[in-house]
This record gives sequence, C-alpha cells and structure tokens, in this order.
Amino acid sequence: NAGVTQTPKFRILKIGQSMTLQCTQDMNHNYMYWYRQDPGMGLKLIYYSVGAGITDKGEVPNGYNVSRSTTEDFPLRLELAAPSQTSVYFCASSRGWTSGQETQYFGPGTRLLVL
Amino acid sequence: EDQVTQSPEALRLQEGESSSLNCSYTVSGLRGLFWYRQDPGKGPEFLFTLYSAGEEKEKERLKATLTKKESFLHITAPKPEDSATYLCAVQGGYAGGTSYGKLTFGQGTILTVHP
Repeated sequence: NAGVTQTPKFRILKIGQSMTLQCTQDMNHNYMYWYRQDPGMGLKLIYYSVGAGITDKGEVPNGYNVSRSTTEDFPLRLELAAPSQTSVYFCASSRGWTSGQETQYFGPGTRLLVL
Repeated sequence: EDQVTQSPEALRLQEGESSSLNCSYTVSGLRGLFWYRQDPGKGPEFLFTLYSAGEEKEKERLKATLTKKESFLHITAPKPEDSATYLCAVQGGYAGGTSYGKLTFGQGTILTVHP
C-alpha cells in the first residue's frame, strides 16, 4: 500500500492564480481531511469528508473548496490565491468515527508559496 | 474549546540522555490522544493512540503515558535518529453537529539528539 499520496510536492503561485492540490489514498478509508501547517502553529483543519459525495468545513475553510467523487480521491481547490495561503498542506485519511479506528494517517505534504 | 499545549518547545539531548516531552490538554470527553513524529519536509507519522487515563504504550525507545490532564512521551537512551518534531493531538467526544472526531493539535516539541 502506498498509503496517502499528494501531488505536487511544491508549487509557486502568483496572487490571484488558482490550483488544485491532489490527494489519493489506497487504504479504503471513508474519512479524509485537509490540514494546513504554518511555522510554530499546530495543524489546522480546512475541510473534511466522511465519504464520497459528503464534505464539510473545518476550522479555516475560507479561500478553499473541496469535492469527493470517489472514496480514494479528495482534491483541494484554491481559488484566487493570496499570500496568506502560503503554507504546507497535508491530506490525511482514517477509517472513521463509527469504526472505532480513528487514527489519521498523513500524506507527505504539498508546500505552497504564493507571491 | 479543546486545547493542547506541548512543552518544551525545543529540547536538546545528548545521545543516551533520557527525558520526557509533555502534552497538556483540555477536551470535552476524550476519545483519544495521539502522538505523531514529524521529520523535516515530511508528513506526520503515527506513533501511539491512548484512550484512557493510566494507559501506557511503548515502541522501541519511546513510551507514552496518559493522565486525565496530560500525556508524557518518555524517550529512553535516545539516538540521533530520534531527532524530529513530536506532535500531540486530542480527539474529543461527539460535539453537537459534527459527525467526525475532530483532532486538535499542539504546536509540537522539536527534539534534537546530539551524538
């Protein structure tokens, strides 16, 4: 199993550009999450999904959008990039709340710089 | 609101010098406390889950313990390869309106082990 994979590893965006961060998991997990990590700060949840077709906002959703059309994929869309979105983005997955196996497994991250 | 505070922010040890990292938390109905290891430029790697006060788990030179207010990550005879940032996170009980176990992360402890 590859676990959770993310692409790209690094990207530079200009202010106002848009992009999609890709996330795929091969563990057949129902729950998937997007976090951002800023220096000296804990990980903050952006969006999460409890299954295909079901998504909801986390703590810091503004400026982002998500979709979940399959169990495996959970892309994160940035519209009109701003310098405040410079961060490292992590995707994670877990079996889910109802399974009792709630450990979240993380991908390697995407480093985004908005200039 | 769930809160997690980790101390110290940074810890320097000599190889073989045992020590402990602290994770203090406040949460409504703890469902789980998680420890992760994060290497520079990588995603968090799962180490342990603790579910109730008094529980202990071990893995190689690491031992995690849990009380009702805090968790400790004990490192016995550390080696340079144990150098990393250690993250603590708590998962609270079902909070009205949410259908997932929200993770609240601390800011991490940066551990450096010198040979």
